Amino acid sequence: GAGVSQSPSNKVTEKGKDVELRCDPISGHTALYWYRQSLGQGLEFLIYFQGNSAPDKSGLPSDRFSAERTGGSVSTLTIQRTQQEDSAVYLCASSLDRVNSPLHFGNGTRLTVT
Amino acid sequence: DQQVKQNSPSLSVQEGRISILNCDYTNSMFDYFLWYKKYPAEGPTFLISISSIKDKNEDGRFTVFLNKSAKHLSLHIVPSQPGDSAVYFCAASASLDRDDKIIFGKGTRLHILP
Repeated sequence: GAGVSQSPSNKVTEKGKDVELRCDPISGHTALYWYRQSLGQGLEFLIYFQGNSAPDKSGLPSDRFSAERTGGSVSTLTIQRTQQEDSAVYLCASSLDRVNSPLHFGNGTRLTVT
Repeated sequence: DQQVKQNSPSLSVQEGRISILNCDYTNSMFDYFLWYKKYPAEGPTFLISISSIKDKNEDGRFTVFLNKSAKHLSLHIVPSQPGDSAVYFCAASASLDRDDKIIFGKGTRLHILP
């Protein structure tokens, strides 16, 4: 079956430009997460969508970061006025809407800000 | 404040021997724990999980042990194989809490030596 799909797989952008990263979760999964992994670092939580509840945005590092999830499915992570420290792999994951359900990850988008 | 800690950035183990990866947590509300494995340029893949009502869960070569009083869990891989060389992430969530998002540690890189 189809897994979590992320696009683009790689993105190189100039400092100051805006970027949009896309995530298609597994069909039927109502929980969706965004994490990022900077070079040599662990998985840093960014934002979490669960069904129709208000998203948990507590991990977003600045107001330049935003995310939305349309129709309870596809999600877009937007970074405005990118900075070099935004360079990282951005990972999306989804899970079934039930307690104690493991996450299924996409392969990530590698963002490089030059 | 890091709620999930993997204090060993790397570990080397001889092929065929047991690999033991450790993880500590600080949030006493955590009741669901997971281990993920990550190869370069791929998203993390789910390995095994454990609920706080158990102290051990086994799946083939992988066993997770949970010591709630010590807020410690470990992943045992036996026997270790070359394909086990990867980064291993410990994760936890508080499923009964309003803040039930899954939090990851920084990972431990496992090297299986021939």
